[in-house]
Amino acid sequence: DTAVSQTPKYLVTQMGNDKSIKCEQNLGHDTMYWYKQDSKKFLKIMFSYNNKELIINETVPNRFSPKSPDKAHLNLHINSLELGDSAVYFCASSQEGQASYEQYFGPGTRLTVT
Amino acid sequence: SQKIEQNSEALNIQEGKTATLTCNYTNYSPAYLQWYRQDPGRGPVFLLLIRENEKEKRKERLKVTFDTTLKQSLFHITASQPADSATYLCALVRDDKIIFGKGTRLHILP
Repeated sequence: DTAVSQTPKYLVTQMGNDKSIKCEQNLGHDTMYWYKQDSKKFLKIMFSYNNKELIINETVPNRFSPKSPDKAHLNLHINSLELGDSAVYFCASSQEGQASYEQYFGPGTRLTVT
Repeated sequence: SQKIEQNSEALNIQEGKTATLTCNYTNYSPAYLQWYRQDPGRGPVFLLLIRENEKEKRKERLKVTFDTTLKQSLFHITASQPADSATYLCALVRDDKIIFGKGTRLHILP
């Protein structure tokens, strides 16, 4: 049973396109996150979201937008893709709405923008 | 702003020995410090959490120490095994903000 799943695993697209990455968790967690891990392996939080509040990292371009149809899903939409968006994107969830709690990560989506 | 430093070079340890990984931070002390393991092509997996008022935490062959004076956490794996080879990330948490280090690649040599 997969706790946090993401689709697709790999995504190759051209500059200027709009794409989405889907994330689902079956842990019953209240809070979900999106992270970006760049080529230098730095893992940076992009968004945290629960049914009450969306917290955005101020460095994230507004071309990125999370959308949550329900508590178990948090999708990531990216508009007008740029070369610099190439990275691995991880979805995660935690039991409480606090980052102090352990994060459960998905397997990641490797996005390549050409 | 808070910066985290982990060994930038890979760490090679002989099987059976204790591996010690370092996580240094430069600014305010975190309320919590977490350690994760990441294997190639996979997401990080949570290992241990230590609070700012704790000095040491253990879980099976793992031990984490936290020294707020030195602004440092040490992560130890005793009786290391080749299966322990992975990248280990530390993460600092304060005020619901989480910052990850770049990670240290650990190779356990048989």
